[in-house]
Amino acid sequence: NAGVTQTPKFQVLKTGQSMTLQCAQDMNHEYMSWYRQDPGMGLRLIHYSVGAGITDQGEVPNGYNVSRSTTEDFPLRLLSAAPSQTSVYFCASSYAPYAATNEKLFFGSGTQLSVL
Amino acid sequence: RKEVEQDPGPFNVPEGATVAFNCTYSNSASQSFFWYRQDCRKEPKLLMSVYSSGNEDGRFTAQLNRASQYISLLIRDSKLSDSATYLCVVNIYSGNTPLVFGKGTRLSVIA
Repeated sequence: NAGVTQTPKFQVLKTGQSMTLQCAQDMNHEYMSWYRQDPGMGLRLIHYSVGAGITDQGEVPNGYNVSRSTTEDFPLRLLSAAPSQTSVYFCASSYAPYAATNEKLFFGSGTQLSVL
Repeated sequence: RKEVEQDPGPFNVPEGATVAFNCTYSNSASQSFFWYRQDCRKEPKLLMSVYSSGNEDGRFTAQLNRASQYISLLIRDSKLSDSATYLCVVNIYSGNTPLVFGKGTRLSVIA
């Protein structure tokens, strides 16, 4: 059972480039989300989805787009990379659409992104 | 008041010591509480949920104090392998909303 798979693990971009971070889960989870983690800032929610075709903004959505065409996949797109987007990105999923129940979040192993 | 607040530490404790972390949250209506563990450069992993009655898992005990709006994590007989960052996670808003993560408390257990 693969769980949550994130690719790539590392990426270096130049300012202005675009790219897509991939996230896939094989647990039939309804809820998927993207976080970024910066030193001293903790995990901050970028976008999330409670099911195929449904997405919503989190705390820091600017500069990122998402889509959820299937239950399994939740890609994160950087439209025009900026040095401020240098961070570690985590994808996470859970069975329940929301956190109202004590549902465990399953995290991918992360993507280290550097924007020069 | 910040939504979910933790002492960043680091807490440096010797092996075998007992250490406790607190985490305060801003919304008294919050219903779901968790402790996650994160090792350096790794993804967070659920350590334990925090129930109203408190819960214990081996050397780890979690408590919820609704009156003072904080949760706690107690680690007894600390091991070197307990060195990590411990993240407090709360469903901070009313109704069905995503979880909010604290910034974490770093623990170093030293020999």
